[in-house]
Amino acid sequence: DQQVKQNSPSLSVQEGRISILNCDYTNSMFDYFLWYKKYPAEGPTFLISISSIKDKNEDGRFTVFLNKSAKHLSLHIVPSQPGDSAVYFCAARVDVNAGGTSYGKLTFGQGTILTVHP
Amino acid sequence: KAGVTQTPRYLIKTRGQQVTLSCSPISGHRSVSWYQQTPGQGLQFLFEYFSETQRNKGNFPGRFSGRQFSNSRSEMNVSTLELGDSALYLCASSLAGFQGRFGEKLFFGSGTQLSVL
Repeated sequence: DQQVKQNSPSLSVQEGRISILNCDYTNSMFDYFLWYKKYPAEGPTFLISISSIKDKNEDGRFTVFLNKSAKHLSLHIVPSQPGDSAVYFCAARVDVNAGGTSYGKLTFGQGTILTVHP
Repeated sequence: KAGVTQTPRYLIKTRGQQVTLSCSPISGHRSVSWYQQTPGQGLQFLFEYFSETQRNKGNFPGRFSGRQFSNSRSEMNVSTLELGDSALYLCASSLAGFQGRFGEKLFFGSGTQLSVL
């Protein structure tokens, strides 16, 4: 049961243009959504996040949009640069309450390989 | 501040063997999570440890186990290795395991690439 899906395994974009990476989810209990970027031979690094009570969050060239009714989020990169070429993972967080404490559990998508051509 | 350190970087094992992977979290971080990355499957959650206790577990067979020590360092063990266990194993640490809430971030190590022949 894949609760977080990135249906595009790869995306190729020209430098300077917009990159749009998509992510769909099924669990309405997710309360935060995050994007991570991963270069070869390195671990994923946090890029940007959005709370489920918002529909947009922007950080420099990166903007994440959340459409709760469609259970869909997207990451926009404008303008795209060759250094943005990496694997992008979306992740969704659900709150877990156990033993009187609260913590989170992340579910990741399969990842999308972004290639930005000079 | 040192990042998350995983050792070894690469491992080659044969079917039926067992393997132990090590993870040192960022100083002060008490939550350590383990993930398996395979092509097409993304990052699959294995388990999370907090203050030496396993708090959360993914859908992996009992051959996959782990533990956390009092200094928050964690180890992951896979017994009776199978070909399908070949993957990149990633460890991630965070302060308290909120995983994105309250502005908390998850920091990943570079991973251990395990090849099972």
